[in-house]
Amino acid sequence: GNSVTQMEGPVTLSEEAFLTINCTYTATGYPSLFWYVQYPGEGLQLLLKATKADDKGSNKGFEATYRKETTSFHLEKGSVQVSDSAVYFCALTNSGTYKYIFGTGTRLKVLA
Amino acid sequence: GAGVSQSPRYKVTKRGQDVALRCDPISGHVSLYWYRQALGQGPEFLTYFNYEAQQDKSGLPNDRFSAERPEGSISTLTIQRTEQRDSAMYRCASSLAGGGGSETQYFGPGTRLLVL
Repeated sequence: GNSVTQMEGPVTLSEEAFLTINCTYTATGYPSLFWYVQYPGEGLQLLLKATKADDKGSNKGFEATYRKETTSFHLEKGSVQVSDSAVYFCALTNSGTYKYIFGTGTRLKVLA
Repeated sequence: GAGVSQSPRYKVTKRGQDVALRCDPISGHVSLYWYRQALGQGPEFLTYFNYEAQQDKSGLPNDRFSAERPEGSISTLTIQRTEQRDSAMYRCASSLAGGGGSETQYFGPGTRLLVL
């Protein structure tokens, strides 16, 4: 079946540090991959997505590249800010389906 | 424009009571989804509507859970005879077209349900 595995949190970084949050997946066919973010007290917001192998999604300084050979979609940001503190969820949908399969989420805390 | 809205935002109820959770999707969105999120976990799929038709209810945990979308817009998720294990965040999402593949789902703020 389809599944998503994220690195355990919490991740604590100092402001301007480099961020990587690992996400790997298991899926048949050709999934689309997403990163969603949940800021404190708010709902889930789409951060970025990629729909085919080697695509790179990017938004607000965050990037993730769809790597089919390693079944990964790691989230990166070169210089984090305090305002990036949130919970980040990796998710996939598979072609012909509509259910999102989410990872367990990774909490990021950025210290000033 | 307005996003997905859900009400109530918080619901505390006693075991055995029925609860109804409401979702108002983005105007014009054809597809509507319900998810449940336990503390420390990612959202898990419950059910999916295309217009008013419930296309998939495979994620509903048991027959105490039901959902409807009678006019293809607002949806209600109903939990009958609530149990403490039903306590969770219930999230609604909508998407523009028929769902599937790479389509983005837009999530509401969720309803946090606590069953005492």
